[in-house]
Amino acid sequence: SQQGEEDPQALSIQEGENATMNCSYKTSINNLQWYRQNSGRGLVHLILIRSNEREKHSGRLRVTLDTSKKSSSLLITASRAADTASYFCATVYDNTNAGKSTFGDGTTLTVKP
Amino acid sequence: DVKVTQSSRYLVKRTGEKVFLECVQDMDHENMFWYRQDPGLGLRLIYFSYDVKMKEKGDIPEGYSVSREKKERFSLILESASTNQTSMYLCASRAPGQGAYEQYFGPGTRLTVT
Repeated sequence: SQQGEEDPQALSIQEGENATMNCSYKTSINNLQWYRQNSGRGLVHLILIRSNEREKHSGRLRVTLDTSKKSSSLLITASRAADTASYFCATVYDNTNAGKSTFGDGTTLTVKP
Repeated sequence: DVKVTQSSRYLVKRTGEKVFLECVQDMDHENMFWYRQDPGLGLRLIYFSYDVKMKEKGDIPEGYSVSREKKERFSLILESASTNQTSMYLCASRAPGQGAYEQYFGPGTRLTVT
């Protein structure tokens, strides 16, 4: 399987702390994306990092990509209770118009007020 | 504001029934996807479509078929529902072309087959 794997499966922190989630994948990628899913809802795109990029920022989000280790991390700084959700990495392997994404199992983040 | 809608949030069907899950997007996207989401298995691609009347199998197409008669609508069909098809079904759409990889998801349909 080319599926990405997130680590840890579950993470519980206090409001104000930073949350770090990791994603590992198996083969070379075109790009990697992170999505958030609130309980029982659809996924929402957060950030995309291309294979030739090493780090990217968006607000309180910081994503890194290490293609030599086939891994990525998502850091959420100064977490809030509203950040409670599941977070998924998605890898895009092909460069075609289809651009199918392969999703991992997700990390469930709980931010306690 | 982009929008992907799914016909039902919750659905309960009996084994053997034919089930239609509808997905509509208002972004004029050419690519549309159907996934199922199960605990511990993440999202798995069932089928996708890159144009009207065009479809391709994903990773787990068995027991499913799809229909794309209009650009904005992508339907997932369970010809004869079985209990192992109880799952959360997510539809997504994406703009075509390299570089446009962000997928827009609907709210999901939680299907229970009894």
